[in-house]
Amino acid sequence: QQQVKQSPQSLIVQKGGISIINCAYENTAFDYFPWYQQFPGKGPALLIAIRPDVSEKKEGRFTISFNKSAKQFSLHIMDSQPGDSATYFCAASLDNYGQNFVFGPGTRLSVLP
Amino acid sequence: DAGVIQSPRHEVTEMGQEVTLRCKPISGHNSLFWYRQTMMRGLELLIYFNNNVPIDDSGMPEDRFSAKMPNASFSTLKIQPSEPRDSAVYFCASRGQGRAFFGQGTRLTVV
Repeated sequence: QQQVKQSPQSLIVQKGGISIINCAYENTAFDYFPWYQQFPGKGPALLIAIRPDVSEKKEGRFTISFNKSAKQFSLHIMDSQPGDSATYFCAASLDNYGQNFVFGPGTRLSVLP
Repeated sequence: DAGVIQSPRHEVTEMGQEVTLRCKPISGHNSLFWYRQTMMRGLELLIYFNNNVPIDDSGMPEDRFSAKMPNASFSTLKIQPSEPRDSAVYFCASRGQGRAFFGQGTRLTVV
């Protein structure tokens, strides 16, 4: 029940296209859903996060869509750029500093110039 | 704040040797996590602390692994004795106000 599933495992998108990564969780107690972006040789960096009281959150070209009833959430990258090429991890947690994160397995995104 | 600071960035050691990884969390963060990342297994939680107290160490693979957090600004992850299968990138992360931040990681190679 602690698992977070993520798909696809890898994604290739043309510059200017839309990248979509999907995640699903099982534990309905989770109430904090961040996305992390990781470049080679670097640690994961917080990209954007959502709480289940909203269905969508947008920051620049990055949007999280959240479907509470389906227990699914997704990351959309609009106008994808080669600089977005990285590995993306979704995660889920209880919204409390003392709680652990459950991470998805990651999606390796390649944006072709 | 300089963020989560890990040292060393790279460590190459011989099998059987003791390895100590270090982490300085962001000031004011109450939770600290140690993760291991490999191509095969992705990000694995090893152990996490709240207010310097270990909460869940079920991810620590063997007794060869141990972690301590003697105060709010320092934690160590020790592997003794190290084995080639311990080769991975080890990340420390700290969490405050809901948000978690990762360090740059320590790339460990055991030969």
